[in-house]
Amino acid sequence: QAQLVQSGAVVKKPGASVKVSCKASGYIFSVYDINWVRQAPGQGPEWIGYMFPDSDVFDSAEKFQGRLTMTTNTSISTAYMELSRLTSDDTAVYYCARGVTGRETYSFDSWGQGSLVTVSS
Amino acid sequence: DIQMTQSPSSLSASVGDSVNLTCRAGENVGTSLNWYQHKPGKAPSLVIHSASSLVRGVPLRFSAGGSGTDFALTITDLHPEDSGYYYCQQTHTYPRTFGQGTTVEIK
Repeated sequence: QAQLVQSGAVVKKPGASVKVSCKASGYIFSVYDINWVRQAPGQGPEWIGYMFPDSDVFDSAEKFQGRLTMTTNTSISTAYMELSRLTSDDTAVYYCARGVTGRETYSFDSWGQGSLVTVSS
Repeated sequence: DIQMTQSPSSLSASVGDSVNLTCRAGENVGTSLNWYQHKPGKAPSLVIHSASSLVRGVPLRFSAGGSGTDFALTITDLHPEDSGYYYCQQTHTYPRTFGQGTTVEIK
């Protein structure tokens, strides 16, 4: 059974960068996309982007382009999401999720437990 | 971006009741619509994919349907463990967008 375990909560100052890790187990890491989603307090989930491990295949929401870096290390089945130039609006719980392509659609079938990122001076 | 609108924003029902959650897409998304359940402090979980396909292991009291722009998730015979937040998501186009969610509370 697929399992995703994320890094812990962090507090960052405005203008800093944050890097969240997501370690996969229970499946072949290199075969599935990793998506990143965040949820700010009181809001619905927001898709950040996705990456196919160890490749140039990726996409991200326009609002994050230019300050988002997604990487993977297939040797340790781990994905990373780095967001730079943080502001208080980036305070949220960040999730990684495995993307799977089914018969008719694409869905996120396994999720990490979430990593709280707090941006505060 | 395709806007996803869920209603109601919250509901309260008793054990054994049936509840109906709706999700409307701002554009035609075909059947590229998923439903997730999220309990506080836990990872979200996929309950329905492809608008109407129940994920293996999810109780049969969950059902869903719709296509195009209008979708619904129905929970019959509500159980206490069904409480939580429910989100719809379209994966027809990028960016993958979610609804704001429906909170299901058990009285």
